[in-house]
Amino acid sequence: NAGVTQTPKFQVLKTGQSMTLQCAQDMNHEYMSWYRQDPGMGLRLIHYSVGAGITDQGEVPNGYNVSRSTTEDFPLRLLSAAPSQTSVYFCASSLGPYQPQHFGDGTRLSIL
Amino acid sequence: AQRVTQPEKLLSVFKGAPVELKCNYSYSGSPELFWYVQYSRQRLQLLLRHISRESIKGFTADLNKGETSFHLKKPFAQEEDSAMYYCALSNDQTGANNLFFGTGTRLTVIP
Repeated sequence: NAGVTQTPKFQVLKTGQSMTLQCAQDMNHEYMSWYRQDPGMGLRLIHYSVGAGITDQGEVPNGYNVSRSTTEDFPLRLLSAAPSQTSVYFCASSLGPYQPQHFGDGTRLSIL
Repeated sequence: AQRVTQPEKLLSVFKGAPVELKCNYSYSGSPELFWYVQYSRQRLQLLLRHISRESIKGFTADLNKGETSFHLKKPFAQEEDSAMYYCALSNDQTGANNLFFGTGTRLTVIP
């Protein structure tokens, strides 16, 4: 039981490049979320999903796209990377409302 | 709008001393509050949540609605408690179980 798996763990991109951060969970959780963690700012919600085919924006969605075609996967896409997107990205999943969230190991992304 | 404040970025205590990590929140509804912890080279994980009223690894946290606080306490700190601690609030108005995090407090327990 791997829980929440994020790939890659590290990535360096050039400004303007596109990339997809992968997130998969094997716990049959309906709820999945993407957060970014920046120094001095804690974790902020980017996008979230309450089930396959359903996504919505969080606090800081600009520059990111998501889709949820299956319960297991919730990829995050950067269409045109910008230096302001340099951050550590965390994917999380949970069973439902008020339930604990399970986090992945994170992806450390640097945009040059 | 919801907001979670952790006023201390860094906190150092000696082993065996009591520890209190402060968390204040602002939210117009009825909040669900959590403490998450990230040990060195480990994933962010749930430590405890107020609805469970439980003690985990000797830590407790009481929701004080009058003071809008959810401070984390432990009577006798251990070296293995050194970690990053995040207070978080769940806003379930959207039905999405999204968390709003404080900026975190790094606790160091000095041997």
